[in-house]
Amino acid sequence: AQKITQTQPGMFVQEKEAVTLDCTYDTSDQSYGLFWYKQPSSGEMIFLIYQGSYDEQNATEGRYSLNFQKARKSANLVISASQLGDSAMYFCAMSINYGQNFVFGPGTRLSVLP
Amino acid sequence: ETGVTQTPRHLVMGMTNKKSLKCEQHLGHNAMYWYKQSAKKPLELMFVYNFKEQTENNSVPSRFSPECPNSSHLFLHLHTLQPEDSALYLCASSQGVRETQYFGPGTRLLVL
Repeated sequence: AQKITQTQPGMFVQEKEAVTLDCTYDTSDQSYGLFWYKQPSSGEMIFLIYQGSYDEQNATEGRYSLNFQKARKSANLVISASQLGDSAMYFCAMSINYGQNFVFGPGTRLSVLP
Repeated sequence: ETGVTQTPRHLVMGMTNKKSLKCEQHLGHNAMYWYKQSAKKPLELMFVYNFKEQTENNSVPSRFSPECPNSSHLFLHLHTLQPEDSALYLCASSQGVRETQYFGPGTRLLVL
């Protein structure tokens, strides 16, 4: 079965510093997609970044980058130059080729300190 | 109006009430989803619709009844709910079922 693990329930980071949020996944499929979403206290899930399993380069989107290590089955999110507005829950998710489930991890609550 | 919208944003209902949640997407997507997010629990996929056809029902109780009249609209009809059904209900859409999902703001439901 497909599963996403996020081992950090909560993280603190100082404003302007970089932070890494961990995500490991489990699937036997060779073709899959990995996603990160941000959920502020308002509740809306905001798509941040996507990495395909066959993508050779790590995905980047502005201050967000995904550290994809396929052999370790990890897809960590790196946020550079943290801002106060980055305080939120962050969810790692996975889609697989032959299933229609979109599996989410339990999330990591990030708090950016001034 | 763009993106994914959901109405109402907040809903309080009694256990004997019947209500409906509405989701509308303006992205031209073909797939739509309902999720339930309870406190301290992972996001739970409830239903998946692809080209208006239901393709996934993750053992959701029959007191939740989805309806997808077209690719842009998705409803969740609620009846005789239980207090444990109180949660944030999120709607999402994507171009295809494996592709990036874009979420609405959610409906916060409280069942008394």
